[in-house]
Amino acid sequence: GAVVSQHPSRVICKSGTSVKIECRSLDFQATTMFWYRQFPKQSLMLMATSNEGSKATYEQGVEKDKFLINHASLTLSTLTVTSAHPEDSSFYICSGRASNTGELFFGEGSRLTVL
Amino acid sequence: AQSVAQPEDQVNVAEGNPLTVKCTYSVSGNPYLFWYVQYPNRGLQFLLKYITGDNLVKGSYGFEAEFNKSQTSFHLKKPSALVSDSALYFCAVSSNYGGATNKLIFGTGTLLAVQP
Repeated sequence: GAVVSQHPSRVICKSGTSVKIECRSLDFQATTMFWYRQFPKQSLMLMATSNEGSKATYEQGVEKDKFLINHASLTLSTLTVTSAHPEDSSFYICSGRASNTGELFFGEGSRLTVL
Repeated sequence: AQSVAQPEDQVNVAEGNPLTVKCTYSVSGNPYLFWYVQYPNRGLQFLLKYITGDNLVKGSYGFEAEFNKSQTSFHLKKPSALVSDSALYFCAVSSNYGGATNKLIFGTGTLLAVQP
Protein backbone atom coordinates (compact mmCIF):
# COMPACT_ATOMS: atom_id res chain seq x y z
CA GLY A 1 0.00 0.00 0.00
CA ALA A 2 0.87 3.65 -0.27
CA VAL A 3 3.20 5.09 2.34
CA VAL A 4 3.16 8.41 4.13
CA SER A 5 6.33 9.27 6.01
CA GLN A 6 6.14 11.67 8.92
CA HIS A 7 9.21 13.18 10.54
CA PRO A 8 10.20 13.54 13.29
CA SER A 9 8.32 10.81 15.13
CA ARG A 10 9.15 12.42 18.45
CA VAL A 11 10.32 15.91 19.30
CA ILE A 12 10.91 17.69 22.57
CA CYS A 13 11.37 21.43 22.57
CA LYS A 14 11.49 24.37 24.92
CA SER A 15 8.58 26.71 25.32
CA GLY A 16 8.75 29.58 22.85
CA THR A 17 10.56 27.73 20.12
CA SER A 18 9.12 26.63 16.77
CA VAL A 19 8.90 23.07 15.56
CA LYS A 20 8.45 21.81 12.02
CA ILE A 21 6.86 18.46 11.20
CA GLU A 22 7.18 17.03 7.71
CA CYS A 23 4.72 14.78 5.94
CA ARG A 24 5.81 13.08 2.71
CA SER A 25 3.91 10.81 0.39
CA LEU A 26 6.56 8.34 -0.74
CA ASP A 27 4.92 6.52 -3.62
CA PHE A 28 1.94 8.60 -4.61
CA GLN A 29 1.04 12.19 -5.31
CA ALA A 30 -1.09 13.90 -2.71
CA THR A 31 -3.01 16.85 -4.01
CA THR A 32 -4.54 17.27 -0.59
CA MET A 33 -3.09 16.63 2.82
CA PHE A 34 -4.88 16.74 6.14
CA TRP A 35 -3.41 17.51 9.53
CA TYR A 36 -4.93 16.03 12.66
CA ARG A 37 -4.24 16.49 16.33
CA GLN A 38 -4.85 13.81 18.91
CA PHE A 39 -4.89 14.32 22.65
CA PRO A 40 -4.27 11.36 24.97
CA LYS A 41 -7.10 8.86 24.88
CA GLN A 42 -9.09 11.06 22.53
CA SER A 43 -10.05 11.05 18.90
CA LEU A 44 -8.36 12.71 15.98
CA MET A 45 -9.40 16.30 15.52
CA LEU A 46 -9.01 17.72 12.03
CA MET A 47 -6.91 20.88 12.19
CA ALA A 48 -6.58 21.90 8.58
CA THR A 49 -6.74 20.83 4.97
CA SER A 50 -3.93 21.80 2.65
CA ASN A 51 -3.97 21.73 -1.11
CA GLU A 52 -0.79 21.79 -3.13
CA GLY A 53 0.16 25.29 -4.10
CA SER A 54 -2.57 27.09 -2.19
CA LYS A 55 -3.32 28.27 1.31
CA ALA A 56 -4.53 25.80 3.88
CA THR A 57 -8.11 25.76 5.10
CA TYR A 58 -8.27 25.70 8.88
CA GLU A 59 -11.04 24.20 10.99
CA GLN A 60 -12.90 26.42 13.38
CA GLY A 61 -10.92 27.21 16.50
CA VAL A 62 -7.51 26.40 15.01
CA GLU A 63 -5.12 29.35 14.98
CA LYS A 64 -3.63 29.66 11.52
CA ASP A 65 -0.81 31.89 12.74
CA LYS A 66 0.08 29.33 15.37
CA PHE A 67 -0.01 26.29 13.13
CA LEU A 68 1.58 27.19 9.82
CA ILE A 69 0.95 24.73 7.03
CA ASN A 70 2.84 24.65 3.77
CA HIS A 71 2.10 22.30 0.88
CA ALA A 72 4.75 23.22 -1.63
CA SER A 73 4.71 20.07 -3.71
CA LEU A 74 2.53 17.05 -4.46
CA THR A 75 4.60 14.94 -2.08
CA LEU A 76 5.40 17.23 0.83
CA SER A 77 3.41 19.16 3.40
CA THR A 78 4.81 20.73 6.55
CA LEU A 79 3.23 21.80 9.81
CA THR A 80 5.12 24.38 11.86
CA VAL A 81 4.05 24.96 15.43
CA THR A 82 5.21 28.49 16.13
CA SER A 83 6.16 29.73 19.59
CA ALA A 84 5.20 26.41 21.07
CA HIS A 85 3.77 26.19 24.57
CA PRO A 86 3.13 23.19 26.82
CA GLU A 87 -0.54 23.11 25.82
CA ASP A 88 0.58 22.43 22.25
CA SER A 89 1.99 19.11 23.38
CA SER A 90 0.09 16.49 21.44
CA PHE A 91 0.24 13.77 18.83
CA TYR A 92 0.04 15.19 15.32
CA ILE A 93 -0.94 12.98 12.40
CA CYS A 94 -0.97 13.81 8.71
CA SER A 95 -2.93 12.16 5.94
CA GLY A 96 -2.44 12.37 2.20
CA ARG A 97 -5.18 11.95 -0.36
CA ALA A 98 -3.96 10.17 -3.47
CA SER A 99 -4.60 12.30 -6.52
CA ASN A 100 -5.51 9.37 -8.75
CA THR A 101 -7.78 7.31 -6.46
CA GLY A 102 -8.89 9.71 -3.76
CA GLU A 103 -7.86 7.24 -1.06
CA LEU A 104 -6.44 8.52 2.20
CA PHE A 105 -3.21 7.29 3.72
CA PHE A 106 -1.98 8.20 7.18
CA GLY A 107 1.44 8.95 8.55
CA GLU A 108 2.78 7.33 11.69
CA GLY A 109 2.32 10.50 13.70
CA SER A 110 4.63 12.91 15.50
CA ARG A 111 4.60 13.30 19.26
CA LEU A 112 5.42 16.84 20.31
CA THR A 113 6.36 17.58 23.90
CA VAL A 114 6.86 21.21 24.85
CA LEU A 115 8.69 21.77 28.12
CA ALA B 1 -22.81 18.05 8.94
CA GLN B 2 -21.42 14.57 9.32
CA SER B 3 -20.70 12.84 12.60
CA VAL B 4 -19.75 9.48 13.99
CA ALA B 5 -20.62 7.94 17.33
CA GLN B 6 -18.77 5.12 19.03
CA PRO B 7 -20.86 4.51 22.14
CA GLU B 8 -18.35 2.31 23.94
CA ASP B 9 -15.11 3.69 25.32
CA GLN B 10 -13.84 0.19 25.90
CA VAL B 11 -14.77 -3.32 24.86
CA ASN B 12 -13.44 -6.31 26.76
CA VAL B 13 -13.48 -9.77 25.24
CA ALA B 14 -11.79 -13.08 25.92
CA GLU B 15 -9.41 -14.47 23.35
CA GLY B 16 -11.21 -16.76 20.92
CA ASN B 17 -14.58 -15.13 21.46
CA PRO B 18 -16.30 -13.01 18.82
CA LEU B 19 -15.97 -9.26 19.13
CA THR B 20 -18.09 -6.32 18.05
CA VAL B 21 -17.13 -2.66 18.12
CA LYS B 22 -20.09 -0.41 17.51
CA CYS B 23 -20.35 2.63 15.25
CA THR B 24 -23.26 4.76 14.13
CA TYR B 25 -23.08 7.67 11.75
CA SER B 26 -24.91 10.71 10.52
CA VAL B 27 -24.30 12.19 7.10
CA SER B 28 -26.26 13.96 4.42
CA GLY B 29 -26.17 12.00 1.23
CA ASN B 30 -24.40 8.71 0.72
CA PRO B 31 -22.05 7.68 3.52
CA TYR B 32 -18.55 6.44 2.98
CA LEU B 33 -17.46 4.55 6.07
CA PHE B 34 -14.08 3.45 7.34
CA TRP B 35 -12.47 1.58 10.20
CA TYR B 36 -8.93 2.25 11.35
CA VAL B 37 -6.81 0.72 14.11
CA GLN B 38 -4.19 2.54 16.15
CA TYR B 39 -1.50 0.98 18.28
CA PRO B 40 0.18 3.07 21.04
CA ASN B 41 2.20 6.00 19.68
CA ARG B 42 1.56 4.95 16.11
CA GLY B 43 -0.44 6.33 13.23
CA LEU B 44 -3.64 4.86 11.89
CA GLN B 45 -3.76 1.63 9.99
CA PHE B 46 -6.58 1.10 7.51
CA LEU B 47 -8.78 -1.93 8.19
CA LEU B 48 -11.68 -1.67 5.77
CA LYS B 49 -14.11 0.64 4.05
CA TYR B 50 -17.62 0.72 2.69
CA ILE B 51 -18.13 2.76 -0.45
CA THR B 52 -20.92 0.99 -2.28
CA GLY B 53 -22.12 -2.51 -3.08
CA ASP B 54 -22.28 -5.45 -0.70
CA ASN B 55 -23.24 -4.41 2.81
CA LEU B 56 -20.79 -6.86 4.36
CA VAL B 57 -17.26 -5.64 3.95
CA LYS B 58 -14.24 -7.81 4.67
CA GLY B 59 -10.97 -6.22 5.64
CA SER B 60 -7.53 -6.81 7.05
CA TYR B 61 -6.62 -9.21 9.87
CA GLY B 62 -9.92 -11.08 9.67
CA PHE B 63 -12.09 -8.08 10.49
CA GLU B 64 -15.37 -7.35 8.78
CA ALA B 65 -18.09 -4.75 9.08
CA GLU B 66 -21.71 -4.59 8.09
CA PHE B 67 -23.28 -1.48 6.66
CA ASN B 68 -26.87 -1.09 7.86
CA LYS B 69 -28.55 1.86 6.24
CA SER B 70 -31.79 1.69 8.21
CA GLN B 71 -29.93 1.71 11.52
CA THR B 72 -27.18 4.02 10.24
CA SER B 73 -24.63 1.65 11.67
CA PHE B 74 -21.32 0.19 10.60
CA HIS B 75 -20.26 -2.18 13.38
CA LEU B 76 -16.85 -3.82 13.26
CA LYS B 77 -16.73 -7.55 13.91
CA LYS B 78 -14.36 -10.46 14.14
CA PRO B 79 -15.38 -14.09 14.72
CA SER B 80 -12.47 -14.95 17.00
CA ALA B 81 -10.48 -12.31 18.87
CA LEU B 82 -6.73 -12.42 19.37
CA VAL B 83 -4.72 -10.79 22.13
CA SER B 84 -2.83 -8.95 19.41
CA ASP B 85 -6.09 -7.29 18.34
CA SER B 86 -5.93 -5.17 21.50
CA ALA B 87 -5.72 -1.59 20.27
CA LEU B 88 -7.70 1.59 19.74
CA TYR B 89 -10.27 1.41 16.96
CA PHE B 90 -11.69 4.38 15.11
CA CYS B 91 -14.74 4.57 12.91
CA ALA B 92 -14.80 7.41 10.38
CA VAL B 93 -17.22 8.83 7.84
CA SER B 94 -16.91 10.97 4.76
CA SER B 95 -19.63 12.43 2.60
CA ASN B 96 -17.51 12.73 -0.50
CA TYR B 97 -15.14 9.86 -1.13
CA GLY B 98 -12.43 10.69 -3.60
CA GLY B 99 -13.70 14.18 -4.17
CA ALA B 100 -12.04 17.48 -3.51
CA THR B 101 -13.78 17.80 -0.17
CA ASN B 102 -13.05 14.26 0.95
CA LYS B 103 -12.19 14.63 4.61
CA LEU B 104 -12.76 12.08 7.32
CA ILE B 105 -14.59 12.75 10.51
CA PHE B 106 -13.59 10.35 13.24
CA GLY B 107 -15.44 8.86 16.14
CA THR B 108 -14.05 9.08 19.64
CA GLY B 109 -12.46 5.66 19.44
CA THR B 110 -13.04 2.38 21.24
CA LEU B 111 -10.31 0.65 23.15
CA LEU B 112 -10.45 -3.09 22.54
CA ALA B 113 -8.92 -5.23 25.25
CA VAL B 114 -8.61 -8.94 24.54
CA GLN B 115 -7.82 -11.04 27.57
CA PRO B 116 -5.81 -14.27 27.14
